[in-house]
Amino acid sequence: DAKTTQPPSMDCAEGRAANLPCNHSTISGNEYVYWYRQIHSQGPQYIIHGLKNNETNEMASLIITEDRKSSTLILPHATLRDTAVYYCIVRRRSAGGTSYGKLTFGQGTILTVHP
Amino acid sequence: DVKVTQSSRYLVKRTGEKVFLECVQDMDHENMFWYRQDPGLGLRLIYFSYDVKMKEKGDIPEGYSVSREKKERFSLILESASTNQTSMYLCASGTTGNYNEQFFGPGTRLTVL
Repeated sequence: DAKTTQPPSMDCAEGRAANLPCNHSTISGNEYVYWYRQIHSQGPQYIIHGLKNNETNEMASLIITEDRKSSTLILPHATLRDTAVYYCIVRRRSAGGTSYGKLTFGQGTILTVHP
Repeated sequence: DVKVTQSSRYLVKRTGEKVFLECVQDMDHENMFWYRQDPGLGLRLIYFSYDVKMKEKGDIPEGYSVSREKKERFSLILESASTNQTSMYLCASGTTGNYNEQFFGPGTRLTVL
């Protein structure tokens, strides 16, 4: 799996957009970018994933650069409840063998949304 | 709305006790997973199952076993609990074909005294 690099922490004002960057310069052609978040004392929550096109769902938008070496998760109108650790993961969509399903979270970005 | 539930949010057991952690999903997912999460060590896969009665070891299966008798239920068993098994245990489920989109339960914080 490609290595990812995220800033350790970010702040955002409530109601503003939160833009969380992730670098994955060694990503290969068949690897997807996945984003999860984990609110304190809860299980991780899947947010979104993408291959090369920008993606949007009810939670967030994912912008992937043309060279696919970096991406940005955008929470368009951050709320206090979005305070969490955000994890960027790069993996093949259907990794086979015994490696499949083994999600590995790095340190992630601690996003703090302020009133 | 997708849902993964775990039998307990908090559990306190004594060393040597047999511990059962239950996980149920209502999404008809083929795959189910058990992880533990510890500060500084991140998420580590204990066991996973890709079908009823099928199981595969993850990275840290020692001291644990699992059972999947029904598609919706995946149990983690600590045969003889030890203090180093004090941790947050997370269950997840997902579909075949997109193993990386996993839905997690709320977690069980287990303390072994």
